[in-house]
Amino acid sequence: AQTVTQSQPEMSVQEAETVTLSCTYDTSESDYYLFWYKQPPSRQMILVIRQEAYKQQNATENRFSVNFQKAAKSFSLKISDSQLGDAAMYFCAYRRYTSGNTPLVFGKGTRLSVIA
Amino acid sequence: KAGVTQTPRYLIKTRGQQVTLSCSPISGHRSVSWYQQTPGQGLQFLFEYFSETQRNKGNFPGRFSGRQFSNSRSEMNVSTLELGDSALYLCASSLARAFGTEAFFGQGTRLTVV
Repeated sequence: AQTVTQSQPEMSVQEAETVTLSCTYDTSESDYYLFWYKQPPSRQMILVIRQEAYKQQNATENRFSVNFQKAAKSFSLKISDSQLGDAAMYFCAYRRYTSGNTPLVFGKGTRLSVIA
Repeated sequence: KAGVTQTPRYLIKTRGQQVTLSCSPISGHRSVSWYQQTPGQGLQFLFEYFSETQRNKGNFPGRFSGRQFSNSRSEMNVSTLELGDSALYLCASSLARAFGTEAFFGQGTRLTVV
């Protein structure tokens, strides 16, 4: 079974600074998807960024980028120019590469605080 | 376009009772998944429905059940509630059962069992 590990329960960053959230995963499959979701106090999970394992290029979405190391099974999220609105729980998630909607497997999350 | 709507937002029930939670997916989305979120266990997959059929099921007891209607709206039911069922229940909808389709989440139903 696949597992996702987020080793940092809490992180903090100064406004306008850069922070990196860590995620490692375990799978025996070669093709899969990885996601970072943000959950603000409103509780709604919002997709931040996704990465297809077959793509070597790291995904980027505005201030958010990932460092995908397939051999190391590592998938970290970098947030640049942190803003107060970035404060939230961040979840790393894995999904198998298949034609069906296989379940998302989530890590335990990292709570990010942004200090003004 | 309206997002995923979950009702009710909050619910308090007594041990032994049963509860039904509702999820209306984004218009046109035919896949609905349910997740349970607790501080101890994190986010755990309950089940997924597509075209009124359960396609995947997580490792939860039979007290947890669900269904999907022809308009893609979904309900989940928990019978004989236990204190440990207190959690945030999240529903996610997807456009289709395609490769890596993005899941859009609702704001969840916070269930408290007393």
